Amino acid sequence: ETGVTQSPTHLIKTRGQQVTLRCSSQSGHNTVSWYQQALGQGPQFIFQYYREEENGRGNFPPRFSGLQFPNYSSELNVNALELDDSALYLCASSLGLDRNIQYFGAGTRLSVL
Amino acid sequence: QKEVEQDPGPLSVPEGAIVSLNCTYSNSAFQYFMWYRQYSRKGPELLMYTYSSGNKEDGRFTAQVDKSSKYISLFIRDSQPSDSATYLCAMSSNSGYALNFGKGTSLLVTP
Repeated sequence: ETGVTQSPTHLIKTRGQQVTLRCSSQSGHNTVSWYQQALGQGPQFIFQYYREEENGRGNFPPRFSGLQFPNYSSELNVNALELDDSALYLCASSLGLDRNIQYFGAGTRLSVL
Repeated sequence: QKEVEQDPGPLSVPEGAIVSLNCTYSNSAFQYFMWYRQYSRKGPELLMYTYSSGNKEDGRFTAQVDKSSKYISLFIRDSQPSDSATYLCAMSSNSGYALNFGKGTSLLVTP
């Protein structure tokens, strides 16, 4: 177990709705990264938060947004859901000095109907 | 062309075999090389990481990085049925923060 917890584990939404996914980082880790993993694919980087600020972003539209809180937990928000947003959403935490070494949670499986 | 290429398999081996998993990459700025194991419907679990080039060993697992060929490998000795999973390679640069993943190789170790 990595100590990275995500909620909920599974979510079903309809097209056009909005969703919020949550992540608690491993104790002592101040950096959180979010990834999207489609079926049969490797995870794709969405963005990273370090000390409550977005530290980098992948090739995802602005309807994907996030937050990091003072306790280093984080949220991923997705607006105007599309069918292609159906995927496993993974949160990873790391230490600020070594952000490349990332430890993943179990993920939230989002199904958009 | 994707920055990280990984044969998706599936790869099936008998218990006790030596398994070789590989990835190639195109970005010469990559300095961190990771291997993750992912069981079905679970999150990726970090197995090993290497900074820059060379070899690293941890129990039955050995990771190798050849930066001149832009090629990394993970070897699993004495493979067990519990090693059956998808193995993902991931890489990043010194100035980066995003991990760049391969598609993953599905491994099945049969008793």
